[in-house]
Amino acid sequence: EIVLTQSPGTLSLSPGERATLSCRASQSVSSSYLAWYQQKPGQAPRLLIYGASSRATGFPDRFSGSGSGTDFTLTISRLEPEDFAVYYCQHFGSPYTFGQGTKLEIK
Amino acid sequence: QVQLQESGPGLVKPSETLSLTCSVSGGSISSYFWSWIRQPPGKGLEWIGYIYYSGTTNYNPSLKGRVSISVDTSKNQFSLKLSSVTAADTAVYYCARETQFGNLLGIDYWGQGTLVTVSS
Repeated sequence: EIVLTQSPGTLSLSPGERATLSCRASQSVSSSYLAWYQQKPGQAPRLLIYGASSRATGFPDRFSGSGSGTDFTLTISRLEPEDFAVYYCQHFGSPYTFGQGTKLEIK
Repeated sequence: QVQLQESGPGLVKPSETLSLTCSVSGGSISSYFWSWIRQPPGKGLEWIGYIYYSGTTNYNPSLKGRVSISVDTSKNQFSLKLSSVTAADTAVYYCARETQFGNLLGIDYWGQGTLVTVSS
C-alpha cells in the first residue's frame, strides 16, 4: 500500500499570498495516478488536479500541480478567500489511498 | 449533469450490517468505475472499494472482508454493504465516480454524502 504524507498539516496564509502544499509518497508512483481534491466544510471533496498536473474543470489557472516519483506539489499562486479549505492528495493504487490532508486557513 | 445520491439508514447498531445505495442520474452507470469513500467526523478520507459496471470489484484490505459492493445497471444504482460494524465505522459515506481522462484518472463526481452513526 502506498502511504501519502502531506505537509504541512495546517498552513496559515493571507489572501494574495502563494501557497505550496506537499504530498510525499512512500514509494515511487506514476504521475498519471496522482490527484488532488479540495474540500470545504460540509461539502464533498471536489476534483482539483488529475494526472499530477492537469487542472479539472472549473478551477482557475492560479491552481497548479507538479511533481513526479515520490514528491508532488500543489501550488496556489495568489490566494483568494474561496481557496481556504482542506486539500487532499490521492493515489490510484491497490488500494486507493489518500493523504491525511492539509488545512489551508486564513492568517 | 451527472448527479449521485446516497440513501440508507443513518443509524446502525453495533455488529449489524450497514447498507447504502447510490442512485446515479443524468448519465449512465455503464463504462465507469464507481467507488464508496468514507470520512469519519473531523478526519480524512478513506477509500472503501469500487465496482465496475460489469460487476468487477476491488476492496480496501483494511476492511478485512467485511465489505461488499454490488451494481444494478437496470436501476442505475450501486450499493454498499459493510458487516459487523463498530463505532469506528461511524462516518460520512460518499459514493463517487471515477473518470479516465485519456490515461489519467480522477474521481470527478461525488454524492453529497450521508452520515451513518453506529450506536446502540
